[in-house]
Amino acid sequence: EAGVAQSPRYKIIEKRQSVAFWCNPISGHATLYWYQQILGQGPKLLIQFQNNGVVDDSQLPKDRFSAERLKGVDSTLKIQPAKLEDSAVYLCASSLAPTSAGTGELFFGEGSRLTVL
Amino acid sequence: RKEVEQDPGPFNVPEGATVAFNCTYSNSASQSFFWYRQDCRKEPKLLMSVYSSGNEDGRFTAQLNRASQYISLLIRDSKLSDSATYLCVVTGNNDMRFGAGTRLTVKP
Repeated sequence: EAGVAQSPRYKIIEKRQSVAFWCNPISGHATLYWYQQILGQGPKLLIQFQNNGVVDDSQLPKDRFSAERLKGVDSTLKIQPAKLEDSAVYLCASSLAPTSAGTGELFFGEGSRLTVL
Repeated sequence: RKEVEQDPGPFNVPEGATVAFNCTYSNSASQSFFWYRQDCRKEPKLLMSVYSSGNEDGRFTAQLNRASQYISLLIRDSKLSDSATYLCVVTGNNDMRFGAGTRLTVKP
């Protein structure tokens, strides 16, 4: 079974530039998450989708970050304009059911490592 | 206070040692609890769920203490391959909160 696919794996940009990350979840997984993991910290949830609807985006810095999942499958996360503190790994994850179901198993992609200079 | 707190370590132990990690959480309404493992520069992967009665999976034992709001992970007979960061995860209504992780290095 194919896992969660993410691209690009690495991206280096200058501050104030824009960047977009793409995620393709495991087939059949209705719930998709974007996490930000800064070096030395645990993953922090940015946004959670259930199909193509947003369940939780309370920690998404909406002045510069946006995400969409138009057809309920693939998702993109965009940062515009980027700041130095956005340097992190952006992890996409998917699950069969929402975390509220208590199953606990998220399947993560390998992540997109962003460096902002 | 952070929602999920872990001792960052690092824990450096010899092969065969027993090591324990603790994690505390602030939201008493938290519903489910898990331990994830993250290898260096890799994505997190589910290690095990944590049940109220405690549960064991081979060399790994997880415990939950709701009254004191902490969970623990015990690793017996440590192997070199256990070297990783162990993330404590707590779920609420709709989200999963990750701790910063505890780094373990098992040495020969």
